[in-house]
Amino acid sequence: QKEVEQNSGPLSVPEGAIASLNCTYSDRGSQSFFWYRQYSGKSPELIMFIYSNGDKEDGRFTAQLNKASQYVSLLIRDSQPSDSATYLCAVMASGTYKYIFGTGTRLKVLA
Amino acid sequence: GAVVSQHPSRVICKSGTSVKIECRSLDFQATTMFWYRQFPKQSLMLMATSNEGSKATYEQGVEKDKFLINHASLTLSTLTVTSAHPEDSSFYICSAREDVGDTQYFGPGTRLTVL
Repeated sequence: QKEVEQNSGPLSVPEGAIASLNCTYSDRGSQSFFWYRQYSGKSPELIMFIYSNGDKEDGRFTAQLNKASQYVSLLIRDSQPSDSATYLCAVMASGTYKYIFGTGTRLKVLA
Repeated sequence: GAVVSQHPSRVICKSGTSVKIECRSLDFQATTMFWYRQFPKQSLMLMATSNEGSKATYEQGVEKDKFLINHASLTLSTLTVTSAHPEDSSFYICSAREDVGDTQYFGPGTRLTVL
């Protein structure tokens, strides 16, 4: 059974702090990894994707991937109250185009 | 770019009726689209993979005769919930995968309530 694990939270951080969200996965053959943000009652919106080991930065967001440890993370710098949402980690299952989603981490940024 | 629309956004129907949900990729071609269902406070559950010009592939436990999927063009997939019952009430979300790359872009979702 291919799995993606996330801490459900809530993760509470003060405004302006760095929020760190983590995800582990079981499928060693996975090559593509995605972070989505989902506000309550809305559908997921793509934050960023990462394919290679290391860091990838996009504005206030940095994704980190370590395939050897089967670990992917998302850092949000200068967190804002508007960042409060559920963050979903998605891993593309090897040999398919299907995503396996984690259960999501609920982030609360306190003003 | 990469916009996916879904219609309707919300539907309320009586038990036993059928409901059709449309998913369109507005500015890109999508050979592959996906249909998900999400219950409150749970993550997305993949129901089926929709492939243009061929039959959909359903996940284990999803009844293909109840959830009919048609992917007639490179920009449109439809999900029909047949003979809907209250337990089918959920948030249905489609996604479309760009033909180049692995990224899925999600539609805004359809909230179905079956009375």
